[in-house]
Amino acid sequence: KAGVTQTPRYLIKTRGQQVTLSCSPISGHRSVSWYQQTPGQGLQFLFEYFSETQRNKGNFPGRFSGRQFSNSRSEMNVSTLELGDSALYLCASSYRVAGGLSYEQYFGPGTRLTVT
Amino acid sequence: QKEVEQNSGPLSVPEGAIASLNCTYSDRGSQSFFWYRQYSGKSPELIMSIYSNGDQEDGRFTAQLNKASQYVSLLIRDSQPSDSATYLCAVKGRLLRDDKIIFGKGTRLHILP
Repeated sequence: KAGVTQTPRYLIKTRGQQVTLSCSPISGHRSVSWYQQTPGQGLQFLFEYFSETQRNKGNFPGRFSGRQFSNSRSEMNVSTLELGDSALYLCASSYRVAGGLSYEQYFGPGTRLTVT
Repeated sequence: QKEVEQNSGPLSVPEGAIASLNCTYSDRGSQSFFWYRQYSGKSPELIMSIYSNGDQEDGRFTAQLNKASQYVSLLIRDSQPSDSATYLCAVKGRLLRDDKIIFGKGTRLHILP
């Protein structure tokens, strides 16, 4: 079974620009979560989508947004980029079962975003 | 503010010994617990999941959960140099709520050849 894929793998942008990152989950997984990872803050949760609906949101400004398509693929967008947005952005997919125990997440390789 | 705490390390363990990694969490209602391994420059890889008190074993790895004391641990037996990585503890809240998974900042493990 193919794993989680993310595109692009590397991105360099300048302050003020916007960026869109893409994530394709494992086949059959309907939940996609996004995380930002930096050396100082570790892995921080951005948001989770399930069946095209945002189910959970972390404590990030409104410049960070996302969406999920009917095929479970997801995109996240960051507008008006700031230097502090430089990070590894990770997507994780899960076979989410409502009310069930199974919530194991599998991560993609990430997108390394550098803002200059 | 729900928190997951881990000692940042580095934790140095001789090859062949048992590595013991610990994690504490603040939300007493947490139900699902995970350990991820992350090599430098790579994404996290799920290695263990545990949902009930006690031990869960998978090969050289054993996850231990104590909900009363709110801690989770990971034991790695017969440590190998390839086990050198950062280990992330992750905790999810109550089953029926839409609760996000919170990660600790990780413990760096170094296996000494």
